[in-house]
Amino acid sequence: SAVISQKPSRDICQRGTSLTIQCQVDSQVTMMFWYRQQPGQSLTLIATANQGSEATYESGFVIDKFPISRPNLTFSTLTVSNMSPEDSSIYLCSVATEGQGAYNEQFFGPGTRLTVL
Amino acid sequence: GQNIDQPTEMTATEGAIVQINCTYQTSGFNGLFWYQQHAGEAPTFLSYNVLDGLEEKGRFSSFLSRSKGYSYLLLKELQMKDSASYLCAVMDSNYQLIWGAGTKLIIKP
Repeated sequence: SAVISQKPSRDICQRGTSLTIQCQVDSQVTMMFWYRQQPGQSLTLIATANQGSEATYESGFVIDKFPISRPNLTFSTLTVSNMSPEDSSIYLCSVATEGQGAYNEQFFGPGTRLTVL
Repeated sequence: GQNIDQPTEMTATEGAIVQINCTYQTSGFNGLFWYQQHAGEAPTFLSYNVLDGLEEKGRFSSFLSRSKGYSYLLLKELQMKDSASYLCAVMDSNYQLIWGAGTKLIIKP
């Protein structure tokens, strides 16, 4: 298993500002993901954070709005840029064990609860 | 398109049994996961099925039928602490997880 921490755990931000969320894992992992979960809704994958290269974004998410860094195998950041109230959500960092075709359980961080006024 | 369907909410009585169903249509299949998520917390892993049949783990069991695109999570001897959302997720041909919206389970005394 993997232990994941996120900072901050929650924040209230003003419209137009940016917030960077940090994700730290206690072991080296190949696959790291950033999800968004709005109240009462499913998890939505924002992007896969790739170590040493640009993140892979899902449809509807772009790098200018959600820049991601992954400097090493244990750490990643997600920035929510130029925020609007629609960005209010829980942002979750997740990691998975390595291996295509293998059992790939995902472990989740505690989440960052973001409120944009 | 890819789709995961599960009921929005279910109610059951403490000590009883409840079955939460999940149907899926995805581009490829590399396994189905069930996660539990308590309010305000991150999801935690419950089970993984990749072959047809029933996997039992204590009070929880998970069933899969790949031909029918169907799974269920069975919870026995329900306890109040089982009140949570239960998320069904399928790993597609690109090894990405497609998530259902979750089933909120309410346990009554």
